[in-house]
Amino acid sequence: QSALTQPASVSGSPGQSITISCTGTSSDVGGYNYVSWYQQHPGKAPKLMIYDVSNRPSGVSNRFSGSKSGNTASLTISGLQAEDEADYYCSSYTGSSSWVFGGGAKLTVL
Amino acid sequence: QVQLVQSGAEVKKPGASVKVSCKASGYTFTSYYMHWVRQAPGQGLEWMGIINPSGGGTSYAQKLQGRVTMTRDTSTSTVYMELSSLRSEDTAVYYCARGYYDSRTSAPAFWGQGTLVTVSS
Repeated sequence: QSALTQPASVSGSPGQSITISCTGTSSDVGGYNYVSWYQQHPGKAPKLMIYDVSNRPSGVSNRFSGSKSGNTASLTISGLQAEDEADYYCSSYTGSSSWVFGGGAKLTVL
Repeated sequence: QVQLVQSGAEVKKPGASVKVSCKASGYTFTSYYMHWVRQAPGQGLEWMGIINPSGGGTSYAQKLQGRVTMTRDTSTSTVYMELSSLRSEDTAVYYCARGYYDSRTSAPAFWGQGTLVTVSS
């Protein structure tokens, strides 16, 4: 199972909105509504930000939203803040109780 | 609250095996699947496999088939991940992570603190 494709880096200014894409295939992203997104700060464990394409766990800011179209999922962060600077990973169910992660995208807040 | 406490850092020689534990508390252990995910230094997340603590059923990443074994002990609410025939590329932080809801299709949501495994001669 190949890793999902994410841009290596994205950037934005405080207050702006950014979108991170996550491209897979019909065997993963396109085939199931089980895409999740994680935020990871240096030296910390990942934090679940979005599950099942567009659902936010309790406690996650509504500035974070997720969507999917075909084989590509997207994470949008609105009202960008300095503390949003982190690595972001997508993940998708691939069937038969298996999962795959994306390569990660580094978000820089300018 | 959900807590996952992992065993401490390990240093192993190439060819050896390592067994990492993950003790769960704060919820019904047998109701939620547990994932294992690793992260090599400076690299991304890699999904390793999943175990159903209720029946012990497992599913492993194809890349690790034959080298990884996940087990559980319901009496102590602990899951284990054993990786054999270690090579330098296995040097990574290993995480256990519980599913957000009680289904095999639930994404990893609650993470342990991570266990650094270093493979070096």
